[in-house]
Amino acid sequence: AQKITQTQPGMFVQEKEAVTLDCTYDTSDPSYGLFWYKQPSSGEMIFLIYQGSYDQQNATEGRYSLNFQKARKSANLVISASQLGDSAMYFCAMREQANQGAQKLVFGQGTRLTINP
Amino acid sequence: AAGVIQSPRHLIKEKRETATLKCYPIPRHDTVYWYQQGPGQDPQFLISFYEKMQSDKGSIPDRFSAQQFSDYHSELNMSSLELGDSALYFCASSPPRDSFTDTQYFGPGTRLTVL
Repeated sequence: AQKITQTQPGMFVQEKEAVTLDCTYDTSDPSYGLFWYKQPSSGEMIFLIYQGSYDQQNATEGRYSLNFQKARKSANLVISASQLGDSAMYFCAMREQANQGAQKLVFGQGTRLTINP
Repeated sequence: AAGVIQSPRHLIKEKRETATLKCYPIPRHDTVYWYQQGPGQDPQFLISFYEKMQSDKGSIPDRFSAQQFSDYHSELNMSSLELGDSALYFCASSPPRDSFTDTQYFGPGTRLTVL
């Protein structure tokens, strides 16, 4: 079963608008971490933001914020004031069972975001 | 800030050849992960090492092997290469478990093309 679901294969947004990228997850583990990564066309995987399952506050990093709704098992990424350089593939990922050794990330299918001038 | 270093960045091999990918984690990071990303796919976990010991194993073919050395760098060895092995191979590293975060930071990737 897919553990991370990103339902938006592609998104098109006007420059300077805010955009929300959806991510839902499935886990029975009470301790987990959720991550968002950006992959530009050049290929590198850039870490954006992290949310722990026990964190009370939604994570924020500059123009990025994570809308974490634990009961709904969603962890949507919000990018405010979008810029042309935000055009990229965005991956949501989950790490299960923290503090039990090296834990792999499981990725969603990704959302390709295109910012139009 | 120092990042994860991967070499080579690009590699072209023939079928049935072997390849070795190298990864140098961020200084003081003790855990290394390898991921494979096929064209148009999300990254898939291959294998990880913590303190030079194999920690977890994913969908890594038996033709592949990996290890982490005393200086924490890691190598992914791939033998009897197949066309389907063409992909972007990422190495990621994370800080010690008592750190505030265990975020995995990715290297730039090695793009392997098998002809």
